[in-house]
Amino acid sequence: GDSVTQMEGPVTLSEEAFLTINCTYTATGYPSLFWYVQYPGEGLQLLLKATKADDKGSNKGFEATYRKETTSFHLEKGSVQVSDSAVYFCALSDLNTNAGKSTFGDGTTLTVKP
Amino acid sequence: DGGITQSPKYLFRKEGQNVTLSCEQNLNHDAMYWYRQDPGQGLRLIYYSQIVNDFQKGDIAEGYSVSREKKESFPLTVTSAQKNPTAFYLCASSPRTGKRGGQDGYTFGSGTRLTVV
Repeated sequence: GDSVTQMEGPVTLSEEAFLTINCTYTATGYPSLFWYVQYPGEGLQLLLKATKADDKGSNKGFEATYRKETTSFHLEKGSVQVSDSAVYFCALSDLNTNAGKSTFGDGTTLTVKP
Repeated sequence: DGGITQSPKYLFRKEGQNVTLSCEQNLNHDAMYWYRQDPGQGLRLIYYSQIVNDFQKGDIAEGYSVSREKKESFPLTVTSAQKNPTAFYLCASSPRTGKRGGQDGYTFGSGTRLTVV
């Protein structure tokens, strides 16, 4: 079945540091890929997405590129801020399921210190 | 502003009691989903619905029930048959159904934290 594997956390960075959170996936078909962010006590928010190979999703300084050859969708940001502290989830939606369901990774907790 | 409203934010359940979690959306989205989140884990799908009066089981449906009588509403009932219901429950929606819906991504509510006392 489909699965998403994220880099284990927690990740602690200083403000203005470079961020990478690794995400790899297994899917039977040709999935769409997503990154979501969750702040404490809240639901998830869609951060960015990519629907085909070599697409780059971007939002609020975050980027991720759909790499079909390595089945990866790593999240990057050039300079993190304290306000970026949150839990980040990688997810996929396998178009073969015909139901729009998504499979989520376990999440990576990011803490940014001033 | 459009969005998904989940209520209550916190809910306490006694042993043997059924409780219902509310989920309402004003986004005119076709598909709605219920996920369960446990500490340090990803989200697991409980039920989903692509159209009014129709819904399907997800990966962990045992001990839960849902209804979809209106497009905008998708309540989840946690029954006494659910042996470990303490968790954070998230409702989500997406604009379209099927394969195209899979490309849209979800809008989430702010969640309901259920605790067994």
